[in-house]
Amino acid sequence: DAGVTQSPTHLIKTRGQQVTLRCSPKSGHDTVSWYQQALGQGPQFIFQYYEEEERQRGNFPDRFSGHQFPNYSSELNVNALLLGDSALYLCASSLLAGGSRDTQYFGPGTRLTVL
Amino acid sequence: DQQVKQNSPSLSVQEGRISILNCDYTNSMFDYFLWYKKYPAEGPTFLISISSIKDKNEDGRFTVFLNKSAKHLSLHIVPSQPGDSAVYFCAASSSISSGSARQLTFGSGTQLTVLP
Repeated sequence: DAGVTQSPTHLIKTRGQQVTLRCSPKSGHDTVSWYQQALGQGPQFIFQYYEEEERQRGNFPDRFSGHQFPNYSSELNVNALLLGDSALYLCASSLLAGGSRDTQYFGPGTRLTVL
Repeated sequence: DQQVKQNSPSLSVQEGRISILNCDYTNSMFDYFLWYKKYPAEGPTFLISISSIKDKNEDGRFTVFLNKSAKHLSLHIVPSQPGDSAVYFCAASSSISSGSARQLTFGSGTQLTVLP
């Protein structure tokens, strides 16, 4: 049973560029959430996708956008990159009607460095 | 404004002894709490959770205690093992409208080191 997978593992970009990160949820899961983890901090919620729609959004600017595909996989896009966007980006999947309080399972993350 | 706080950045414990990790929260709407463990270069791994209708939940060596009046929860690991050395995150969530899964609010983590 494949867990949550993310690609790429590492990415280096320069300020002003755009980046796309990808996530495949755990088998059987239908909801994908994205988190940003800066160094020395806990993960911060960016947004969540279910049924190909953004359902919830954290306190992140519009430069952060996403998409969910019919196979439940998801992309996170960040435009006009800033140095402060350097972080570990985590994808988490869950089952909306799982009955287990939506326990979220995380992927290994994508380490983004903005120079 | 940090709604979930882990005030101890690090904790060292001898193998075989008890590890106690603490977490405080400020949002009264939180009704579900989770602990995750994170090794370097890996994503957080779910450990144990507790609903606000309970004050204790046990799973093997791991027990989570919830004190709603103090807005405090703790994770006990007994006995501690060197493989438990990792960063532990406390997370909390609140009920939301249907059609959305819960979003998690995390603390900043505690680095646990279990010494052989």
